[in-house]
Amino acid sequence: AQSVAQPEDQVNVAEGNPLTVKCTYSVSGNPYLFWYVQYPNRGLQFLLKYITGDNLVKGSYGFEAEFNKSQTSFHLKKPSALVSDSALYFCAVRGQGAGNMLTFGGGTRLMVKP
Amino acid sequence: ETGVTQTPRHLVMGMTNKKSLKCEQHLGHNAMYWYKQSAKKPLELMFVYNFKEQTENNSVPSRFSPECPNSSHLFLHLHTLQPEDSALYLCASSQIAGDSYEQYFGPGTRLTVT
Repeated sequence: AQSVAQPEDQVNVAEGNPLTVKCTYSVSGNPYLFWYVQYPNRGLQFLLKYITGDNLVKGSYGFEAEFNKSQTSFHLKKPSALVSDSALYFCAVRGQGAGNMLTFGGGTRLMVKP
Repeated sequence: ETGVTQTPRHLVMGMTNKKSLKCEQHLGHNAMYWYKQSAKKPLELMFVYNFKEQTENNSVPSRFSPECPNSSHLFLHLHTLQPEDSALYLCASSQIAGDSYEQYFGPGTRLTVT
């Protein structure tokens, strides 16, 4: 079975400061990892993914994520937060043998204050 | 979000009504999904269609009936719903090929059951 944990329901950060949204996972085999963002009354929007290669993955809107195999983590980061980054963020994982099934975390609400 | 469209965007229905949700993907994908997103609950996978064939039914009550007439269209037929079925229903699509497991979501249908 595969699972994802997002330990923080909400993350608060001041505009201009760096942000981190945490994600840990459990899968069989090598993981495929994803981050999505959801703005109010909208669907989930794909931000970035890790399959293999460089542990630091860059995605849309200046976001990046770092894959850490030993800690089974895939934290989302951004060097300088914007108020417009305030949204709900979801981490997702696909493990070996999972077909095309993704397992999503419970989501973390990011609040960026001016 | 224009790659996956959903109609209607909002739906209010009584418990005895019958209605249908429609999803269309314009991305050339061969897999489609229905998810339920309730307040304060993780994203729940409901149904999966790969190459128009249903491959997953995640213990969804029979009052929800999916239909996938072709790889671009997905419907969710609703009848005799309960108030607890009120939620955001999200459609997604993906390509089953290589390492392209990321799913692309529509904007969702906000369903209210009265």
